[in-house]
Amino acid sequence: GAGVSQTPSNKVTEKGKYVELRCDPISGHTALYWYRQSLGQGPEFLIYFQGTGAADDSGLPNDRFFAVRPEGSVSTLKIQRTERGDSAVYLCASSSDRSGGGTDTQYFGPGTRLTVL
Amino acid sequence: AQSVTQLDSHVSVSEGTPVLLRCNYSSSYSPSLFWYVQHPNKGLQLLLKYTSAATLVKGINGFEAEFKKSETSFHLTKPSAHMSDAAEYFCVVSGYNFNKFYFGSGTKLNVKP
Repeated sequence: GAGVSQTPSNKVTEKGKYVELRCDPISGHTALYWYRQSLGQGPEFLIYFQGTGAADDSGLPNDRFFAVRPEGSVSTLKIQRTERGDSAVYLCASSSDRSGGGTDTQYFGPGTRLTVL
Repeated sequence: AQSVTQLDSHVSVSEGTPVLLRCNYSSSYSPSLFWYVQHPNKGLQLLLKYTSAATLVKGINGFEAEFKKSETSFHLTKPSAHMSDAAEYFCVVSGYNFNKFYFGSGTKLNVKP
């Protein structure tokens, strides 16, 4: 079946602009995660959704970052007043989370490469 | 707090020789541990995971890892490297509530013919 998809694959924007990044998880997956991967680093946790609610948003770096998942499927990561330091690859992952303990396999999307000029 | 240290940023081996990618973790409880692989221009893929069952975990493509609590290590091994193994590998530890995951900085594996 279809995997996790993310759009756009690339986004170039100017400092101060607003951007939205979209994630379509695998159908039926209740858990959804956003990560940020800067050049030469491992992915950094941003936020975790269980269904429609953000169960853990402790990784969001500041209040310019916000994410929603209104119907428990597609999620959008929103970044206001973008800064050059926001440039990174933003990854989305989903899992079925059947065990409820976060040990189910996370399936990652290809990522959105965000460049802030 | 939880953290992961991947001891080598780059590892180079010859095709057909063993692979060892080292990972140490820090955790105040018994975490779940994972290894993911990232091929160029492809998404992260799970290789294997440890979730408090057998300490020797077998994964895909001939990889395995051993959880050693006394050494707080979870090293990834493969007996014989293949050219297709060239990629970046990430060691991951789960957070206390198992909903948050901490990635290491990655190890790039180069396989020479």
